[in-house]
Amino acid sequence: ETGVTQSPTHLIKTRGQQVTLRCSSQSGHNTVSWYQQALGQGPQFIFQYYREEENGRGNFPPRFSGLQFPNYSSELNVNALELDDSALYLCASSYLAGTSGYNEQFFGPGTRLTVL
Amino acid sequence: AQSVTQLGSHVSVSEGALVLLRCNYSSSVPPYLFWYVQYPNQGLQLLLKYTSAATLVKGINGFEAEFKKSETSFHLTKPSAHMSDAAEYFCAVSLKTSYDKVIFGPGTSLSVIP
Repeated sequence: ETGVTQSPTHLIKTRGQQVTLRCSSQSGHNTVSWYQQALGQGPQFIFQYYREEENGRGNFPPRFSGLQFPNYSSELNVNALELDDSALYLCASSYLAGTSGYNEQFFGPGTRLTVL
Repeated sequence: AQSVTQLGSHVSVSEGALVLLRCNYSSSVPPYLFWYVQYPNQGLQLLLKYTSAATLVKGINGFEAEFKKSETSFHLTKPSAHMSDAAEYFCAVSLKTSYDKVIFGPGTSLSVIP
């Protein structure tokens, strides 16, 4: 069974640019969530995608957007990069079977984004 | 609103000593609770989870945590620290709404002194 993978591992961009981060979900999972982890802090929930649609969002501006593809891989896009966007970006996949119960999230290793 | 606090951003223990990492949560409804560990330059690994079954939860690597509703706490313990336990530990809470959203605490960095 393949775990959650993310690419690239590291990325350096300049302020104002756009970036796309990629995530491949664990086999059999239909949900992907993205988190931002600034240095020295806990991860912050950005949004979640279920069956190719956003079904939950945290306190992040619209310039943070995402896509989920039929094969359950996912992208996180950030436009107009700001210095404060420098962080580790984590994706997590899970299998959402319904509206009750617990669905464990499995995390990828993250993409380290540096904005200069 | 749900939140998680972790007392102590840095904890140091001697090898072989008891590990105690504190976590308190606020939630209007019974939550799911988790402890994750993060090693340098790596993602998050689930140590253990509480999902409304037994209040004493046993996890991997000898860790356990006890859910105390009256204290809104979910402290993490390990009887004997090992050098390989040095890492960042995050307590987290999740509410089952229409989607899974995990709220993390700020983390506690554990150092193990030989």
